[in-house]
Amino acid sequence: QVQLVQSGAEVKKPGASVKVSCKASGYTFTGYYMHWVRQAPGQGLEWMGRINPNSGGTNYAQKFQGRVTMTRDTSISTAYMELSRLRSDDTAVYYCAREMIFGVVIISYWGQGTLVTVSS
Amino acid sequence: AIQLTQSPSSLSASVGDRVTITCRASQGISSALAWYQQKPGKAPKLLIYDASSLESGVPSRFSGSGSGTDFTLTISSLQPEDFATYYCQQFNSYPPLTFGGGTKVEIK
Repeated sequence: QVQLVQSGAEVKKPGASVKVSCKASGYTFTGYYMHWVRQAPGQGLEWMGRINPNSGGTNYAQKFQGRVTMTRDTSISTAYMELSRLRSDDTAVYYCAREMIFGVVIISYWGQGTLVTVSS
Repeated sequence: AIQLTQSPSSLSASVGDRVTITCRASQGISSALAWYQQKPGKAPKLLIYDASSLESGVPSRFSGSGSGTDFTLTISSLQPEDFATYYCQQFNSYPPLTFGGGTKVEIK
């Protein structure tokens, strides 16, 4: 069965960077885009971007351009999301998520979420 | 970017009630709309895709309709496990992928 297992919670100071991992299993990792979605406390869902694990190509939401980097390691079926220059309003749960069908952004599978807390 | 406006933002309902949530897109998105359910502390769960297709394993009391700019999610008979927050999401035009603001369904 498809599983997305994310790294554990992080506490960071403002200005620092955080890198969240997402290990995929149960399917061909390079066959589906991986998306990253975040959710601030008590707020809605916000799409950050996606990576094509096959080519490494990325699309980022304009809001995060210049601060976010999505990468992958196909040898271990793991995707990464790194967010730099953290601010307090980056405090959120970060999810990795897989499409139902390649290139059609219906999210069928989600990771368990990684809480990132930004605090001085 | 296409904006999605959900209404209401919250509602109170009783077990057995029929519940309808609406999602309006800022421009036409054909039938490229999905609905998700999210419970506290959990990741969202896909309920409906292509505006009206029921995801495998989702109870038939959930249904979706609409096309173009106006969409609805209906729960025909609300069950205790349905108290949650519901989000719509468009996939017609991206990036960026966009979600509605959410509708919290609470117990009356």
